[in-house]
Amino acid sequence: EVQLVQSGAEVKKPGESLKISCKGSGYSFTSYWIGWVRQMPGKGLEWMGIIYPGDSDTRYSPSFQGQVTISADKSISTAYLQWSSLKASDTAMYYCARRLRGLGPFDYWGQGTLVTVSS
Amino acid sequence: EIVMTQSPATLSVSPGERATLSCRASQSVSSNLAWYQQKPGQAPRLLIYGASTRATGIPARFSGSGSGTEFTLTISSLQSEDFAVYYCQQYNNWPPETFGQGTKLEIK
Repeated sequence: EVQLVQSGAEVKKPGESLKISCKGSGYSFTSYWIGWVRQMPGKGLEWMGIIYPGDSDTRYSPSFQGQVTISADKSISTAYLQWSSLKASDTAMYYCARRLRGLGPFDYWGQGTLVTVSS
Repeated sequence: EIVMTQSPATLSVSPGERATLSCRASQSVSSNLAWYQQKPGQAPRLLIYGASTRATGIPARFSGSGSGTEFTLTISSLQSEDFAVYYCQQYNNWPPETFGQGTKLEIK
């Protein structure tokens, strides 16, 4: 069974750093992209970026380039999304999701990680 | 960046009736279009990809159509569990693989 299991909810202060994770199982982790999607409270889905763990090829949305860093450790089938200096506006639910190499949709999603940034 | 526009923002339909949701792309995305369903407190779920192919386990009452810039998701005979928010997403030109702003399907 394909599963993407994300790390738990986080409460942070502005200016702090954070790294959240997404662990894949039940499939070949290095053969699929892992993407990250933001959903701010009461809002829609925003595509942030994506990584191919097989060769670490990483692409970012222009809206998120320089604001976050996406990485992966294929030895433990885990992808990461990190911030060096959080802002209150980073408060959101963050989802990871899997997609095939080449063109394709996100076919499996993690359960989401809620990040709250408040002083 | 391709802009995806969904209409209407909210759709009120009675159970058992048909719902038709629209999605328009700012430029052609060929058939590289997906639809997702999201219920409160849950992650999105893939319904349709390739504009018209149902994902594994998706009931036949869900159907997708269109190509280029105009797409439609139709749900025939709405069930209580179908009331949710629906998003379209293009994956033809990336990054980013943009989502529409969503259509909330509510009970009339």
